[in-house]
Amino acid sequence: EAQVTQNPRYLITVTGKKLTVTCSQNMNHEYMSWYRQDPGLGLRQIYYSMNVEVTDKGDVPEGYKVSRKEKRNFPLILESPSPNQTSLYFCASSSSGTAAFFGQGTRLTVV
Amino acid sequence: AQSVAQPEDQVNVAEGNPLTVKCTYSVSGNPYLFWYVQYPNRGLQFLLKYITGDNLVKGSYGFEAEFNKSQTSFHLKKPSALVSDSALYFCAVRDNTNAGKSTFGDGTTLTVKP
Repeated sequence: EAQVTQNPRYLITVTGKKLTVTCSQNMNHEYMSWYRQDPGLGLRQIYYSMNVEVTDKGDVPEGYKVSRKEKRNFPLILESPSPNQTSLYFCASSSSGTAAFFGQGTRLTVV
Repeated sequence: AQSVAQPEDQVNVAEGNPLTVKCTYSVSGNPYLFWYVQYPNRGLQFLLKYITGDNLVKGSYGFEAEFNKSQTSFHLKKPSALVSDSALYFCAVRDNTNAGKSTFGDGTTLTVKP
């Protein structure tokens, strides 16, 4: 079954404690992205990757890091989380011209 | 810079009536346009897309959308709404010269009343 898997689904952490949200896809897609969803703001792209070792900033990259060492994986790293990064995060993958497949989301709370 | 506008935060329709959810976009190259739906506590699901070809595209669950290049619009429509269509709808655009960069609208909440 084609899927994008994010882990964890829920996470509560404290300010400044480094965390990683994992994302894996099984469709051999070249493109992968991270988004955050906040009420009234829609989805905003954080980072995207066009292939292994190729990443670029989206609209809201500050405070986030990503890496793409393998085609299937695209982890999101928060080196020093802050309360304003409390949000619902989605990972997605696609090929050129195809719609994005989204993961189920990770609800992050930073206290 | 590319952008998407969904001018209505909320659309309310009665079951059985036609529905329209509006979307306009701005992109420098040729657009790839998408509609997604999000049900509560779920991820986004793909509804339909326009890449090239026929301006009227048909998608899942009886939805369709018309690409209008002169008006830079891609409105989502359905001839007869169902209560189960109630959800949050997002329009998204990609520039065909940079298929990794996607921009979403703020979303429109559709409520279909019995």
